Amino acid sequence: AQSVTQLDSHVSVSEGTPVLLRCNYSSSYSPSLFWYVQHPNKGLQLLLKYTSAATLVKGINGFEAEFKKSETSFHLTKPSAHMSDAAEYFCVVSGSGNTPLVFGKGTRLSVIA
Amino acid sequence: EAGVAQSPRYKIIEKRQSVAFWCNPISGHATLYWYQQILGQGPKLLIQFQNNGVVDDSQLPKDRFSAERLKGVDSTLKIQPAKLEDSAVYLCASSVNSGAGETQYFGPGTRLLVL
Repeated sequence: AQSVTQLDSHVSVSEGTPVLLRCNYSSSYSPSLFWYVQHPNKGLQLLLKYTSAATLVKGINGFEAEFKKSETSFHLTKPSAHMSDAAEYFCVVSGSGNTPLVFGKGTRLSVIA
Repeated sequence: EAGVAQSPRYKIIEKRQSVAFWCNPISGHATLYWYQQILGQGPKLLIQFQNNGVVDDSQLPKDRFSAERLKGVDSTLKIQPAKLEDSAVYLCASSVNSGAGETQYFGPGTRLLVL
């Protein structure tokens, strides 16, 4: 069975400072991992995904994440936060075959001017 | 390329009434998903279709929820009768195929409030 733990329910940063959103996963299989972003009243948008290729994954809007098997982590980072980054972020894990996506509870990112 | 379309965007009903949601996936996507997202939580899969067949409906409350994808394209999700705890956002997603690592593309969702 797969599970995801997002370690912070809310993160607040100042504009122009780094962003770190933490995610730990548990999976019986070699997992696929995703980060999705959800802006208010909008659908989920894929930021990036890891599928057993390079462990450092680059996504859209300057975000990246590093897969660390030894730490079972897949933290999301961005060097410099922008006001438009304020949203809800979900870490997601998928196992092999047709196993469904399992979402974390989400981390709300606030960006202060 | 058009994204996943859902309607209506908002719905308010009273408990014990019925409601239906519609989803049109991205053209050519064989796999369609319905998720329920309760306020403050991540989405939870309700049902997954591959073309017009059900792949996974293990978390669908079948006593009140039903879904179909008769022609393997668009899909409807129905709740009958609705309960207060069904208040949530219902998200539809589609992917080219099923399997680990497949990217799912999400629609804007239908926000349901049951009074």
